[in-house]
Amino acid sequence: DTGVSQDPRHKITKRGQNVTFRCDPISEHNRLYWYRQTLGQGPEFLTYFQNEAQLEKSRLLSDRFSAERPKGSFSTLEIQRTEQGDSAMYLCASSSRTSGRATGANVLTFGAGSRLTVL
Amino acid sequence: DQQVKQNSPSLSVQEGRISILNCDYTNSMFDYFLWYKKYPAEGPTFLISISSIKDKNEDGRFTVFLNKSAKHLSLHIVPSQPGDSAVYFCAASATGNTPLVFGKGTRLSVIA
Repeated sequence: DTGVSQDPRHKITKRGQNVTFRCDPISEHNRLYWYRQTLGQGPEFLTYFQNEAQLEKSRLLSDRFSAERPKGSFSTLEIQRTEQGDSAMYLCASSSRTSGRATGANVLTFGAGSRLTVL
Repeated sequence: DQQVKQNSPSLSVQEGRISILNCDYTNSMFDYFLWYKKYPAEGPTFLISISSIKDKNEDGRFTVFLNKSAKHLSLHIVPSQPGDSAVYFCAASATGNTPLVFGKGTRLSVIA
Protein backbone atom coordinates (compact mmCIF):
# COMPACT_ATOMS: atom_id res chain seq x y z
CA ASP A 1 0.00 0.00 0.00
CA THR A 2 1.80 3.09 -1.26
CA GLY A 3 -0.97 5.51 -0.39
CA VAL A 4 -2.56 8.03 -2.75
CA SER A 5 -0.12 9.50 -5.29
CA GLN A 6 -0.59 12.78 -7.09
CA ASP A 7 1.39 14.21 -9.98
CA PRO A 8 2.72 16.80 -10.50
CA ARG A 9 3.21 18.15 -7.00
CA HIS A 10 3.59 21.70 -8.31
CA LYS A 11 2.50 23.32 -11.55
CA ILE A 12 3.03 26.92 -12.61
CA THR A 13 1.23 27.99 -15.74
CA LYS A 14 0.17 31.10 -17.58
CA ARG A 15 -3.42 32.21 -17.71
CA GLY A 16 -5.25 30.58 -20.60
CA GLN A 17 -3.19 27.40 -20.66
CA ASN A 18 -4.58 23.93 -19.99
CA VAL A 19 -3.30 21.79 -17.13
CA THR A 20 -3.87 18.17 -16.17
CA PHE A 21 -3.38 16.50 -12.81
CA ARG A 22 -3.16 12.77 -12.22
CA CYS A 23 -4.18 10.78 -9.16
CA ASP A 24 -3.36 7.15 -8.38
CA PRO A 25 -5.57 5.96 -5.51
CA ILE A 26 -4.96 3.11 -3.10
CA SER A 27 -5.35 0.05 -5.31
CA GLU A 28 -8.23 -1.61 -3.48
CA HIS A 29 -10.24 1.63 -3.13
CA ASN A 30 -13.15 1.92 -5.55
CA ARG A 31 -14.10 5.49 -4.63
CA LEU A 32 -12.04 8.48 -5.73
CA TYR A 33 -12.59 12.12 -4.82
CA TRP A 34 -11.21 15.45 -6.00
CA TYR A 35 -11.14 18.43 -3.64
CA ARG A 36 -9.71 21.93 -3.95
CA GLN A 37 -8.17 23.89 -1.11
CA THR A 38 -7.31 27.58 -1.10
CA LEU A 39 -5.49 29.56 1.56
CA GLY A 40 -7.41 29.77 4.81
CA GLN A 41 -10.11 27.39 3.65
CA GLY A 42 -10.83 23.74 4.20
CA PRO A 43 -10.91 21.25 1.33
CA GLU A 44 -13.90 21.90 -0.96
CA PHE A 45 -15.49 19.00 -2.77
CA LEU A 46 -15.28 19.00 -6.57
CA THR A 47 -16.33 15.56 -7.80
CA TYR A 48 -16.22 11.86 -7.04
CA PHE A 49 -16.16 8.50 -8.77
CA GLN A 50 -17.25 5.06 -7.79
CA ASN A 51 -15.21 2.78 -10.02
CA GLU A 52 -15.32 4.50 -13.43
CA ALA A 53 -18.68 6.22 -12.89
CA GLN A 54 -18.67 9.91 -11.99
CA LEU A 55 -21.45 10.05 -9.42
CA GLU A 56 -21.48 13.64 -8.23
CA LYS A 57 -20.13 17.03 -9.33
CA SER A 58 -20.04 20.19 -7.26
CA ARG A 59 -21.24 23.57 -8.48
CA LEU A 60 -17.58 24.58 -8.11
CA LEU A 61 -16.75 22.38 -11.10
CA SER A 62 -17.24 24.82 -13.96
CA ASP A 63 -17.36 23.81 -17.63
CA ARG A 64 -13.62 24.36 -17.84
CA PHE A 65 -13.02 21.46 -15.45
CA SER A 66 -13.28 17.83 -16.47
CA ALA A 67 -12.41 14.70 -14.55
CA GLU A 68 -12.11 11.15 -15.77
CA ARG A 69 -11.43 7.74 -14.32
CA PRO A 70 -11.46 5.61 -17.46
CA LYS A 71 -10.70 2.18 -16.06
CA GLY A 72 -11.73 2.69 -12.47
CA SER A 73 -8.13 3.02 -11.37
CA PHE A 74 -6.22 6.32 -11.79
CA SER A 75 -8.02 9.60 -12.43
CA THR A 76 -7.18 12.83 -14.21
CA LEU A 77 -8.46 16.34 -13.55
CA GLU A 78 -8.08 18.75 -16.45
CA ILE A 79 -8.55 22.50 -16.25
CA GLN A 80 -8.91 24.28 -19.58
CA ARG A 81 -8.18 27.96 -20.15
CA THR A 82 -6.87 28.45 -16.64
CA GLU A 83 -7.69 31.62 -14.73
CA GLN A 84 -5.86 33.17 -11.79
CA GLY A 85 -8.75 32.13 -9.55
CA ASP A 86 -7.93 28.50 -10.28
CA SER A 87 -4.73 28.82 -8.23
CA ALA A 88 -5.16 26.34 -5.40
CA MET A 89 -4.09 22.99 -4.01
CA TYR A 90 -5.93 20.16 -5.77
CA LEU A 91 -6.33 17.19 -3.47
CA CYS A 92 -7.23 13.65 -4.45
CA ALA A 93 -8.57 11.12 -1.97
CA SER A 94 -9.79 7.55 -2.12
CA SER A 95 -11.87 5.24 0.03
CA SER A 96 -13.65 1.92 -0.02
CA ARG A 97 -16.71 0.46 1.63
CA THR A 98 -14.51 -0.91 4.37
CA SER A 99 -12.69 2.37 4.98
CA GLY A 100 -15.17 3.14 7.71
CA ARG A 101 -13.25 1.38 10.43
CA ALA A 102 -15.18 1.03 13.67
CA THR A 103 -17.62 3.91 13.28
CA GLY A 104 -18.84 3.29 9.73
CA ALA A 105 -17.68 6.72 8.59
CA ASN A 106 -16.46 7.18 5.02
CA VAL A 107 -12.79 7.66 5.83
CA LEU A 108 -10.95 9.30 2.94
CA THR A 109 -7.22 8.85 2.48
CA PHE A 110 -5.72 11.94 0.88
CA GLY A 111 -2.72 12.40 -1.34
CA ALA A 112 -0.21 15.20 -0.79
CA GLY A 113 -1.91 17.37 -3.39
CA SER A 114 -0.99 19.18 -6.60
CA ARG A 115 -0.38 22.89 -6.14
CA LEU A 116 -1.42 25.02 -9.12
CA THR A 117 -0.21 28.58 -9.60
CA VAL A 118 -1.72 30.52 -12.50
CA LEU A 119 0.23 33.65 -13.45
CA ASP B 1 -23.67 28.52 3.20
CA GLN B 2 -21.10 26.91 5.41
CA GLN B 3 -22.45 23.64 6.78
CA VAL B 4 -19.44 22.89 8.97
CA LYS B 5 -17.98 25.75 10.99
CA GLN B 6 -14.77 26.02 12.95
CA ASN B 7 -14.95 29.45 14.49
CA SER B 8 -11.48 29.53 16.02
CA PRO B 9 -8.82 30.00 13.35
CA SER B 10 -6.03 29.31 15.82
CA LEU B 11 -5.34 27.91 19.27
CA SER B 12 -2.19 27.95 21.37
CA VAL B 13 -1.65 25.43 24.19
CA GLN B 14 1.24 24.53 26.45
CA GLU B 15 2.79 21.11 26.17
CA GLY B 16 1.19 18.63 28.52
CA ARG B 17 -2.08 20.55 28.79
CA ILE B 18 -5.39 19.76 27.12
CA SER B 19 -6.23 21.06 23.64
CA ILE B 20 -9.92 21.49 22.84
CA LEU B 21 -10.93 22.14 19.24
CA ASN B 22 -14.54 22.96 18.49
CA CYS B 23 -16.79 22.44 15.49
CA ASP B 24 -20.42 23.31 14.77
CA TYR B 25 -22.62 22.06 11.95
CA THR B 26 -25.94 23.10 10.50
CA ASN B 27 -27.07 20.12 8.41
CA SER B 28 -29.16 17.73 10.52
CA MET B 29 -28.68 15.04 7.86
CA PHE B 30 -25.05 14.58 8.86
CA ASP B 31 -24.54 11.20 10.50
CA TYR B 32 -20.77 10.89 10.60
CA PHE B 33 -18.15 13.31 11.86
CA LEU B 34 -14.41 13.10 11.34
CA TRP B 35 -11.33 14.99 12.36
CA TYR B 36 -8.32 15.34 10.10
CA LYS B 37 -4.88 16.75 10.84
CA LYS B 38 -2.79 18.53 8.23
CA TYR B 39 0.91 19.35 8.27
CA PRO B 40 2.36 21.81 5.73
CA ALA B 41 3.02 20.33 2.27
CA GLU B 42 1.06 17.17 3.12
CA GLY B 43 -2.50 16.08 2.54
CA PRO B 44 -4.95 15.85 5.43
CA THR B 45 -4.53 12.73 7.58
CA PHE B 46 -7.48 11.01 9.26
CA LEU B 47 -7.43 11.20 13.03
CA ILE B 48 -10.68 10.01 14.58
CA SER B 49 -14.37 9.73 13.76
CA ILE B 50 -17.73 9.36 15.47
CA SER B 51 -21.18 8.37 14.31
CA SER B 52 -24.30 10.21 15.37
CA ILE B 53 -25.49 7.31 17.50
CA LYS B 54 -22.57 7.87 19.86
CA ASP B 55 -21.65 10.83 22.02
CA LYS B 56 -18.02 9.96 22.61
CA ASN B 57 -15.21 8.12 20.88
CA GLU B 58 -11.72 7.74 22.26
CA ASP B 59 -8.46 6.73 20.63
CA GLY B 60 -5.38 7.12 22.75
CA ARG B 61 -4.79 10.80 23.50
CA PHE B 62 -7.65 11.84 21.21
CA THR B 63 -11.31 11.97 22.22
CA VAL B 64 -14.19 13.31 20.14
CA PHE B 65 -17.41 14.39 21.83
CA LEU B 66 -20.67 14.88 19.94
CA ASN B 67 -23.64 16.90 21.18
CA LYS B 68 -26.24 16.20 18.53
CA SER B 69 -28.93 18.45 20.00
CA ALA B 70 -26.53 21.40 19.91
CA LYS B 71 -25.04 20.32 16.55
CA HIS B 72 -21.62 20.63 18.13
CA LEU B 73 -18.57 18.43 18.38
CA SER B 74 -15.19 18.85 19.95
CA LEU B 75 -11.81 17.17 19.77
CA HIS B 76 -9.83 16.82 22.98
CA ILE B 77 -6.12 16.10 22.88
CA VAL B 78 -4.54 15.25 26.20
CA PRO B 79 -1.73 15.57 26.92
CA SER B 80 -0.82 17.89 24.05
CA GLN B 81 2.60 17.39 22.46
CA PRO B 82 4.65 19.68 20.20
CA GLY B 83 4.16 17.17 17.35
CA ASP B 84 0.43 17.86 17.53
CA SER B 85 1.03 21.33 16.09
CA ALA B 86 -0.89 21.28 12.80
CA VAL B 87 -4.12 22.45 11.22
CA TYR B 88 -7.13 20.42 12.34
CA PHE B 89 -10.16 20.06 10.11
CA CYS B 90 -13.59 18.95 11.19
CA ALA B 91 -15.57 17.10 8.50
CA ALA B 92 -19.04 15.61 8.22
CA SER B 93 -21.07 13.44 5.91
CA ALA B 94 -24.54 12.02 5.61
CA THR B 95 -25.08 8.26 5.64
CA GLY B 96 -23.27 6.21 3.06
CA ASN B 97 -20.47 7.20 0.75
CA THR B 98 -21.43 10.85 0.39
CA PRO B 99 -18.48 13.23 0.13
CA LEU B 100 -17.11 14.83 3.26
CA VAL B 101 -17.86 18.49 3.95
CA PHE B 102 -14.98 20.24 5.70
CA GLY B 103 -14.69 23.22 8.01
CA LYS B 104 -12.06 25.91 7.49
CA GLY B 105 -9.71 24.43 10.05
CA THR B 106 -8.09 25.47 13.32
CA ARG B 107 -4.34 25.89 13.57
CA LEU B 108 -3.09 24.35 16.81
CA SER B 109 0.26 25.38 18.21
CA VAL B 110 1.61 23.36 21.12
CA ILE B 111 4.33 25.28 22.91
CA ALA B 112 7.09 23.39 24.69
